[in-house]
Amino acid sequence: EIVLTQSPGTLSLSPGERATLSCRASQSVDSSSLAWYQHKPGQTPRLLIYGASNRATGVPDRFSVSGSGTDFTLTISRLESEDFAVYYCQQFGSSAVTFGQGTKLEIK
Amino acid sequence: EVHLLESGGGLVQPGGSLRLSCTASGFSFGSYVMNWVRQAPGKGLEWVSVISSTSGNTYYADSVKGRFTISRDNSKNTLYLQMNSLRTEDTAVYYCAKRGEDPCFDFWGQGTLVTVSS
Repeated sequence: EIVLTQSPGTLSLSPGERATLSCRASQSVDSSSLAWYQHKPGQTPRLLIYGASNRATGVPDRFSVSGSGTDFTLTISRLESEDFAVYYCQQFGSSAVTFGQGTKLEIK
Repeated sequence: EVHLLESGGGLVQPGGSLRLSCTASGFSFGSYVMNWVRQAPGKGLEWVSVISSTSGNTYYADSVKGRFTISRDNSKNTLYLQMNSLRTEDTAVYYCAKRGEDPCFDFWGQGTLVTVSS
């Protein structure tokens, strides 16, 4: 089973700043099998990006993903107030699915 | 519009059983792989189980293997999760999630809370 490790655990930034969230896999991952989600308290998780770099419907272009192999990065270019949430990366294996433990993006 | 609605959560004693349901609408339910995902209090998302569109293939997380059973009734547009031998660590909000055309979960339900406690 591939383990996904996200860092940092918590990221404190201000609106307008750039956020960089990391997702590292325990072994090489096909980028087409990687997805990212945003989750706010009391809400349902929201798909942000799939296939490593495809934004889901309605996701603004300030969200982007880069990387390959074992290291992937979600970048939010200019933070807006609605972006403060927990972010998860996800990987699809041949049978199982795994999530990273999440990065909490909080207002500084 | 895609809609997923979970039900069946509640309070159950350790060792007990519970069956969750997820009723789907707004898409061709029988054509898509479906999943269950949970989130324990204060913890992250944990994938629980997956079932293929025709129920031919099912897979489980090691933490629930042998205790939980996923199934579906495509004639009723409904996904199920039978949970037996429940443990306190199974306490969580359980979400059903639709797999998209690409590897991702493109739609999620609102979740149902399962509390395992004596």
